Amino acid sequence: DTGVSQDPRHKITKRGQNVTFRCDPISEHNRLYWYRQTLGQGPEFLTYFQNEAQLEKSRLLSDRFSAERPKGSFSTLEIQRTEQGDSAMYLCASSLMTQNTEAFFGQGTRLTVV
Amino acid sequence: KQEVTQIPAALSVPEGENLVLNCSFTDSAIYNLQWFRQDPGKGLTSLLLIQSSQREQTSGRLNASLDKSSGRSTLYIAASQPGDSATYLCCAGTASKLTFGTGTRLQVTL
Repeated sequence: DTGVSQDPRHKITKRGQNVTFRCDPISEHNRLYWYRQTLGQGPEFLTYFQNEAQLEKSRLLSDRFSAERPKGSFSTLEIQRTEQGDSAMYLCASSLMTQNTEAFFGQGTRLTVV
Repeated sequence: KQEVTQIPAALSVPEGENLVLNCSFTDSAIYNLQWFRQDPGKGLTSLLLIQSSQREQTSGRLNASLDKSSGRSTLYIAASQPGDSATYLCCAGTASKLTFGTGTRLQVTL
């Protein structure tokens, strides 16, 4: 297992376009998280999946954002009608469903909206 | 709502020094406290996880402590090296959410 994988690593898009990011968690990890990080800040929580169920969403996740995790495996994060303020690093993490388990992060997808 | 604060925001030390990074959190109802390292433009690398029932964890030159009742954690780095230069992030974890501080940017100079 090579860890949490995110694709693409970088994405440049024009304002108004839709983008989709993919996250492949570590095998058998039930929990999956999406975070957004801007320069000089810590990661901000976006959403959390337990298997295929999306159990928590941040207020940051406006109606332009949607996330899915079909079959409880990989996950996608889609941003519709992108805005310049969406430019950030989008990070995915996964962990097992036990109380005291490490979360492992992918390398992130760097989004630039021009 | 959980809030995590890290002090200092930035730190520069000469090689070989021991140093302490501080983290405080407002809600003590956590499952664990995890320390991460982040290099510029990269993802997060897990360094240490302290379970809520534990007081400290050690890995090589790193030692992390947890005082849940006072809402504090520290990361101690012994004999710092230039390769330790990075941003260190503290994270308070529950089942459904990991809450991060804004990090301490560490530079270790030759």
